[in-house]
Amino acid sequence: EAGVAQSPRYKIIEKRQSVAFWCNPISGHATLYWYQQILGQGPKLLIQFQNNGVVDDSQLPKDRFSAERLKGVDSTLKIQPAKLEDSAVYLCASSLGPGARYFGPGTRLTVT
Amino acid sequence: GENVEQHPSTLSVQEGDSAVIKCTYSDSASNYFPWYKQELGKGPQLIIDIRSNVGEKKDQRIAVTLNKTAKHFSLHITETQPEDSAVYFCAALAMDSNYQLIWGAGTKLIIKP
Repeated sequence: EAGVAQSPRYKIIEKRQSVAFWCNPISGHATLYWYQQILGQGPKLLIQFQNNGVVDDSQLPKDRFSAERLKGVDSTLKIQPAKLEDSAVYLCASSLGPGARYFGPGTRLTVT
Repeated sequence: GENVEQHPSTLSVQEGDSAVIKCTYSDSASNYFPWYKQELGKGPQLIIDIRSNVGEKKDQRIAVTLNKTAKHFSLHITETQPEDSAVYFCAALAMDSNYQLIWGAGTKLIIKP
């Protein structure tokens, strides 16, 4: 069974630029999550999708972050404009239900 | 809401010895507790999980124990090997906030050769 795929793996941008991340979840997983992980900390949930719909985006900085999940499969997370404090690893995860989450390798973003 | 505390933050053990990482949670309604291993440059990998109707679960060299009364759960790794070196996170499923995972702060496990 293929795991969660993410791209790109690394991205370096200047502050105020925009960036987008892509995620392809495990086939059949209805729930998709985007997490932000700052070095030395645990993952922080940004947004959770159930099929096409948003379940929880309470911790998403909506003035600069946006996410969508078209057709209930792939998802993109966008940051516009980026700030220095957005430097982190962005993790995508998927699950069948409310239990086990399966994570992708993450995208390491550096904002200079 | 749910809160998870994890100890220790760093654990150094001799290769071949056992390692134990402990977590406590606050919400007695939580019923699912996963453990993740994160190696450098990789995403968290689910290594074992336990539900509240079970007191212990084993998978080869790793085991998880759950004490519902005391609201704590532990990860046990026996016969540690160099490839066990990683950061380990515990988590608890919060029943009162869209079933979000509430994460511990992580434990850096170092296996000394």
